[in-house]
Amino acid sequence: GQSLEQPSEVTAVEGAIVQINCTYQTSGFYGLSWYQQHDGGAPTFLSYNALDGLEETGRFSSFLSRSDSYGYLLLQELQMKDSASYFCAVNGHGGSQGNLIFGKGTKLSVKP
Amino acid sequence: DVKVTQSSRYLVKRTGEKVFLECVQDMDHENMFWYRQDPGLGLRLIYFSYDVKMKEKGDIPEGYSVSREKKERFSLILESASTNQTSMYLCASSLSPGEETQYFGPGTRLLVL
Repeated sequence: GQSLEQPSEVTAVEGAIVQINCTYQTSGFYGLSWYQQHDGGAPTFLSYNALDGLEETGRFSSFLSRSDSYGYLLLQELQMKDSASYFCAVNGHGGSQGNLIFGKGTKLSVKP
Repeated sequence: DVKVTQSSRYLVKRTGEKVFLECVQDMDHENMFWYRQDPGLGLRLIYFSYDVKMKEKGDIPEGYSVSREKKERFSLILESASTNQTSMYLCASSLSPGEETQYFGPGTRLLVL
């Protein structure tokens, strides 16, 4: 089967750093994406890793290790507005490009 | 700016009714997707389409069908709504096969009584 595992909940304080891990087991793999979704809102794209290593975009960074089938999203200098659910997603369903398999999401709560 | 719109934010239907959920994107994207989102289950792919009149089953197509007569419009059809189809339905689009960024609509929260 195909699956992505990520923690269901994470809590951190404002200004801290938090890491959200994602391990995957899929039949095909083109890359690992991360999406953010605030309560009542639509998921929005954060980052994408096709190759091993770290990608940095402002306060957010994403890492991929293809050999370990593992990636993480790193959020630095946490702000209250970062409270949201974060989903990892793999492109690799049935060999067709363009459709994603999503993890169940990690609910991040940022406390003052 | 990229925009994906869905016909309704909230919808209440009765068991057995035929339900149409409409999605329109204004970005000339090739790929369009329908997901449902349930607490604790994340986003699950129902159907996707990579071209007009083309469709592919996702992970949970049972009880659903889709239609893509025009490039910008992708419809999800519940032939005979059931209570277990009560959910949030999200439409998304992406530029082309292999394009990783999907753009999501605001979602339709469907309640089937």
